[in-house]
Amino acid sequence: DQQVKQNSPSLSVQEGRISILNCDYTNSMFDYFLWYKKYPAEGPTFLISISSIKDKNEDGRFTVFLNKSAKHLSLHIVPSQPGDSAVYFCAASAYSSASKIIFGSGTRLSIRP
Amino acid sequence: EPEVTQTPSHQVTQMGQEVILRCVPISNHLYFYWYRQILGQKVEFLVSFYNNEISEKSEIFDDQFSVERPDGSNFTLKIRSTKLEDSAMYFCASSVSQGADGYTFGSGTRLTVV
Repeated sequence: DQQVKQNSPSLSVQEGRISILNCDYTNSMFDYFLWYKKYPAEGPTFLISISSIKDKNEDGRFTVFLNKSAKHLSLHIVPSQPGDSAVYFCAASAYSSASKIIFGSGTRLSIRP
Repeated sequence: EPEVTQTPSHQVTQMGQEVILRCVPISNHLYFYWYRQILGQKVEFLVSFYNNEISEKSEIFDDQFSVERPDGSNFTLKIRSTKLEDSAMYFCASSVSQGADGYTFGSGTRLTVV
């Protein structure tokens, strides 16, 4: 069951540059998308979300872009900082099943000095 | 900042034994969830709970699993007869309202079945 896919298991970016994490989904019923950040030995922490009625949402250094026709979303972090090194999960939910989040497999982001 | 607290942080149990994983959700939250992550795999939804009953559950959540809110503050996940494949990180979460937004996850309980 690959409803939410993150095809890059890892990404390394230089400090100060832009980090772009990508995510694809297959279920057209999804109408809400989220990004979570996870450090080792901690639970996922909500980062940013976007509703399907929008194509962009920005919060400080984090911007999420949604391309519904391509069933693709991306998370941009700029500028990248050392504390951004973590695993990032893309996730989605459907209005019809609003209590259930479907997660991607995660991308490990490493910010190098 | 309010937290979801999970205990224990690590539990080792023998195959066939019953385990209870405990969670204290954020006090004004009304919706409660369990997710799990098998090592190297995705975080997977198990169950959601509201108003003292299960509102949704996944195929993983079979008869071996049960949830309970025994005293108004704790939220527990019981696995009746553990199998090796139940070894995973179990995350509890809670939210004020239904919907993906607003979840707060706990730090998880690592369950190891031997």
